[in-house]
Amino acid sequence: GESVGLHLPTLSVQEGDNSIINCAYSNSASDYFIWYKQESGKGPQFIIDIRSNMDKRQGQRVTVLLNKTVKHLSLQIAATQPGDSAVYFCAENILFSGGYNKLIFGAGTRLAVHP
Amino acid sequence: DAGVIQSPRHEVTEMGQEVTLRCKPISGHNSLFWYRQTMMRGLELLIYFNNNVPIDDSGMPEDRFSAKMPNASFSTLKIQPSEPRDSAVYFCASSLRVTAFETGELFFGEGSRLTVL
Repeated sequence: GESVGLHLPTLSVQEGDNSIINCAYSNSASDYFIWYKQESGKGPQFIIDIRSNMDKRQGQRVTVLLNKTVKHLSLQIAATQPGDSAVYFCAENILFSGGYNKLIFGAGTRLAVHP
Repeated sequence: DAGVIQSPRHEVTEMGQEVTLRCKPISGHNSLFWYRQTMMRGLELLIYFNNNVPIDDSGMPEDRFSAKMPNASFSTLKIQPSEPRDSAVYFCASSLRVTAFETGELFFGEGSRLTVL
């Protein structure tokens, strides 16, 4: 029941350490970004979002940082736990013709938490 | 709420057969999305509906793929005829769109794993 294949970058951390997952986005006009977590055999689940008029947003144990200058997004997880092991995706909100938008997902990063 | 419900969870079929995947979005949500996930391409948006109307189908791979949303509580993604390269996990997601510029938070189903032999 794997969610994605074997070619994802993997971040390995020790339980209790902080994790930083990075993402580069493509469209300088993107105004809204979301981080999703996908556990094996399940669909992606919303973690945290940030709008382009912000450079930082904090949630419970998670912080998202946005650097629009270099089109870079990061997700920081404090005190990483075994339950945080999953694939993490960033998604950017892209406007297209007709005034509607869609979410485009990045390739994902696998986080492996070791006891 | 039961969340987004997809069926079947797993399907194995032979090349050339018709495949129909089903989705029941969260009640009250007005947007529905079909994504495909593979090792090579990651999560790709195939099509999305707003108020049962297809808004963007530019991600649909080819004419073998079709999607419908006859009412607010049901959508289908059909592949006819299926090919081995269609093997993937297909996700349905729904959201409550409040403006045209944001999808709203997407809630995903558990996915339908399709294997075409």
